[in-house]
Amino acid sequence: GAVVSQHPSRVICKSGTSVKIECRSLDFQATTMFWYRQFPKQSLMLMATSNEGSKATYEQGVEKDKFLINHASLTLSTLTVTSAHPEDSSFYICSARRGVQETQYFGPGTRLLVL
Amino acid sequence: AQSVAQPEDQVNVAEGNPLTVKCTYSVSGNPYLFWYVQYPNRGLQFLLKYITGDNLVKGSYGFEAEFNKSQTSFHLKKPSALVSDSALYFCAVRDAGNTPLVFGKGTRLSVIA
Repeated sequence: GAVVSQHPSRVICKSGTSVKIECRSLDFQATTMFWYRQFPKQSLMLMATSNEGSKATYEQGVEKDKFLINHASLTLSTLTVTSAHPEDSSFYICSARRGVQETQYFGPGTRLLVL
Repeated sequence: AQSVAQPEDQVNVAEGNPLTVKCTYSVSGNPYLFWYVQYPNRGLQFLLKYITGDNLVKGSYGFEAEFNKSQTSFHLKKPSALVSDSALYFCAVRDAGNTPLVFGKGTRLSVIA
């Protein structure tokens, strides 16, 4: 299967700072990338969908000014959590898909802890 | 709107016995169905998918799933469970458009030696 990487795998930051998470598709070009959030023992909650070169589409209830998503190339998307607060602590997982009929592949996740 | 139901939070199976993890779905039009597995503190690993063709789909690690249109189900199965199969399993569905996957709540599989 295709490989999706995320960096960093784990980050601890102080409240009020911003954190950037990178998601890369290593062996394919991803026309669409997705960002999910997962709370302990719960399912994945879709945050936003981004297509290369265009603005991300955010799900209802997700603040686009707080969770900035950039999909600058066909292999890289970034999620920036701005002015992070403890309630933003979570497991963030990115996903990438080559085309509409293709499988969605997932990164290993980034665990964010805001103190 | 698309939705997925995984009716069991937990499934316990003895090693060597067959296992089934249930999934039913709701989608407009033809469904694209997927199974993923998640190990602790890891992302999701793709197991198998159904888009078209044979209703019985074979995937990674000996897993298979059967698409049943009349029952709108896509149950995951394995003939002989291994302890290493213990993990969290997610069923997901999307329609044929450029839409993201919608996930079930997950089923925790525990295989006991």
